[in-house]
Amino acid sequence: TQLLEQSPQFLSIQEGENLTVYCNSSSVFSSLQWYRQEPGEGPVLLVTVVTGGEVKKLKRLTFQFGDARKDSSLHITAAQPGDTGLYLCAGYSGSARQLTFGSGTQLTVLP
Amino acid sequence: DTEVTQTPKHLVMGMTNKKSLKCEQHMGHRAMYWYKQKAKKPPELMFVYSYEKLSINESVPSRFSPECPNSSLLNLHLHALQPEDSALYLCASSQDRGREREKLFFGSGTQLSVL
Repeated sequence: TQLLEQSPQFLSIQEGENLTVYCNSSSVFSSLQWYRQEPGEGPVLLVTVVTGGEVKKLKRLTFQFGDARKDSSLHITAAQPGDTGLYLCAGYSGSARQLTFGSGTQLTVLP
Repeated sequence: DTEVTQTPKHLVMGMTNKKSLKCEQHMGHRAMYWYKQKAKKPPELMFVYSYEKLSINESVPSRFSPECPNSSLLNLHLHALQPEDSALYLCASSQDRGREREKLFFGSGTQLSVL
């Protein structure tokens, strides 16, 4: 079973602060996705990273895939209350043809 | 249309009831998924359908019975559930070729409570 560990599990910060969420595994993934989920809703895909070392930016969000394709990070600059939610990383295994979700990071941005 | 639509949004059922969850997408996706999510936990894969055929069953108890009547619809039939089956049930879909297979689009889920 491939496991993805996210840290921190919970994060509460003030509006305007920066933060980084980490997603780590001992397994290699063919791609890694980041999702954001709000209470009572399904996860919404934010980004997919495919190449080792790849960096993608989505407005104030920066996503990085590790060189060995085993880990990833999400950095948010100048967080806003609208960024509040459960952030999930998910790794895709081509051999198992499955998406494995990380343990999740619950982010709360206080006004 | 980039939506995955799930109905009902909320469902309360007794342990002797039979109910069904429904999922629909019109993106031409040929892979469809059922996930179960407990509060504050990540989604857990239950079933995968590929071209209307069941391709993955993650050892789910038989009280959960999936059905894929056509390429746009996915159902989950529920019978004799237990209180611990209460959870958010998520449907997802994706293309079933190449890299596109790795990008899942999720519905809003059905919040199920078993009394």
